[in-house]
This record gives sequence, C-alpha cells and structure tokens, in this order.
Amino acid sequence: GNSVTQMEGPVTLSEEAFLTINCTYTATGYPSLFWYVQYPGEGLQLLLKATKADDKGSNKGFEATYRKETTSFHLEKGSVQVSDSAVYFCALNLQGAQKLVFGQGTRLTINP
Amino acid sequence: GAGVSQTPSNKVTEKGKYVELRCDPISGHTALYWYRQSLGQGPEFLIYFQGTGAADDSGLPNDRFFAVRPEGSVSTLKIQRTERGDSAVYLCASSPSLAGVGEQYFGPGTRLTVT
Repeated sequence: GNSVTQMEGPVTLSEEAFLTINCTYTATGYPSLFWYVQYPGEGLQLLLKATKADDKGSNKGFEATYRKETTSFHLEKGSVQVSDSAVYFCALNLQGAQKLVFGQGTRLTINP
Repeated sequence: GAGVSQTPSNKVTEKGKYVELRCDPISGHTALYWYRQSLGQGPEFLIYFQGTGAADDSGLPNDRFFAVRPEGSVSTLKIQRTERGDSAVYLCASSPSLAGVGEQYFGPGTRLTVT
C-alpha cells in the first residue's frame, strides 16, 4: 500500500542549529510529495511541495528534494528559529487521487 | 479572509450516542475533505467531496460513519452508535477547484471524546 514514514520525534534543537527531518515513502505510481506544518493552536498548513523526481520544494528557509532512487523527501533548514517550533508532517498524493496520505508527524522544539 | 471553521471545537459524548460534526469551508472552495487524527498519528483520510457529491469515501471505516454536503458548501460528518475507538481529532480541509495538487486548507479540528 501507500505509506509515509517519518523520523521519530520529538526533536529538540538550539536556535540557529541545522535541521533535518527524515521522510521516506512507499507508493504505487509517481506521487507528489508534501511537507505540512502545524504550529501550536493552529490548523495544518502546507509548507512546501514537489511534484516530480529531482524537484526541490522550498519555503520560509526550508527545503526538501524529491529523491526517487531513495524514495525520500527529507526536510532541511540551515538555521532554525524558535518560531519554527511545531509539528511537521510529510505526506504524499497519488496521481489522479485527491486524498493525502500522511506520516505520523515529528514534533520539533527550538530552544533559544 | 476567513479560513476553514469547524464546530464544535470539543465534543464529549457517551458510548452509543450519535454525534454530528460541522465544517464550514473557505468560501468558493469546491473540494472538501474529512480526515481523522488519533493521538500521536498523522491525519487519515475519510472522505472527499467535489461539490455536493462524495467523490471518494474509501476512508470511512464502517457504516456508522456518514457525511453530507447538501448545498456544496457546509459539510456534516455524522457518527452513529459511537465507540470509544472513535475518539480522535476530526479535521476538515477544503481547496478551490484550481488549486495545485495536494494544496488543502485545514481547519482547527473537532476533538471528539467518547466515554
């Protein structure tokens, strides 16, 4: 079946540290890949996406590259801020389907 | 503008009771989705509406769950004979017809607790 696996949390870092949150997927066909973020007290919101192999999605200093050969879409940021504290969800969407398939989420806490 | 709203924000009910959860999508959004999120897990797809019709209900776990969207705007998720295992946060999302693939706008959710 189609599934997404994320690195287990919680992840705690100091401000200005480098961030990687791993995400791998299993899918039939060629999915589009997403990172959604949930800030405290808010709804899920799209952070970035990539729709085909080797595409790089980026937003707010975050980046992720669609790697078909390793079925991965790892989230990175060079220098995190306290305001990046949130829960991050990796997700996929199969061609022709509307539903999103989510990973279990990774809680990130950034300390000043 | 106003985002997706869901009511109630919290609902506590007894096992066996019937509940209705409401979703008001962003005005003009033709697609509407329901997901269920259990503690410590990611959201799981339940059902997707395009306009008034359910285009994909493959995620509904059993026939106790039903959803409607009679006028193509507000949607109601209905759960009959609730069970303790139904306790979760129920999320609603919407998207405009011309949205990029996977770009869904989520509401804050309804936390359902079945005692």
